[in-house]
Amino acid sequence: AQSVTQLDSHVSVSEGTPVLLRCNYSSSYSPSLFWYVQHPNKGLQLLLKYTSAATLVKGINGFEAEFKKSETSFHLTKPSAHMSDAAEYFCVVTYTNYGGSQGNLIFGKGTKLSVKP
Amino acid sequence: DSGVTQTPKHLITATGQRVTLRCSPRSGDLSVYWYQQSLDQGLQFLIQYYNGEERAKGNILERFSAQQFPDLHSELNLSSLELGDSALYFCASSVSGNTIYFGEGSWLTVV
Repeated sequence: AQSVTQLDSHVSVSEGTPVLLRCNYSSSYSPSLFWYVQHPNKGLQLLLKYTSAATLVKGINGFEAEFKKSETSFHLTKPSAHMSDAAEYFCVVTYTNYGGSQGNLIFGKGTKLSVKP
Repeated sequence: DSGVTQTPKHLITATGQRVTLRCSPRSGDLSVYWYQQSLDQGLQFLIQYYNGEERAKGNILERFSAQQFPDLHSELNLSSLELGDSALYFCASSVSGNTIYFGEGSWLTVV
């Protein structure tokens, strides 16, 4: 079965230190991978996406993620955390179906990022 | 602003009632997805439509139904509501094979 695993349910960092949010997915022929962020009482905002182009993907707000096929990972990083980064982050995978259409999104359980001053 | 519009933003209703949530996808997007987010279940995929046809079904209860109209907007109908149906319901849209964009969600509270 297709799945995505976020390895940490909660990550706490200090402002100005690096952020690492880990995500592993089940292997498939053509995965597309996304990171979404959800601030409290808000909708889901797309941070970045990987769709078989460059393996290092840059997103908004200084975030980036690297697709590593050998490790089936798509970890999200940011060099320096800001207080406004405190939110819940979701790793998401979708697959191209045999007929070429896009399958539904499969969400990880989310990682809550806390940023301490 | 993702371009996906959901109405209403908040809704309070009583158990046993029926509600309809509405979604207007981004211009040109043919796929519409519905998701439910609750504290205990997290984000659950409910159903996907593509150009008016049901494409995929997830954990959608029989009391729930959805449809996508010729103008591509979609409605999610929730009936015989129970307290446990209280959740944030997201609509998302995409062009096939491309990025999926989410609306702000509709908060449903069943009392």
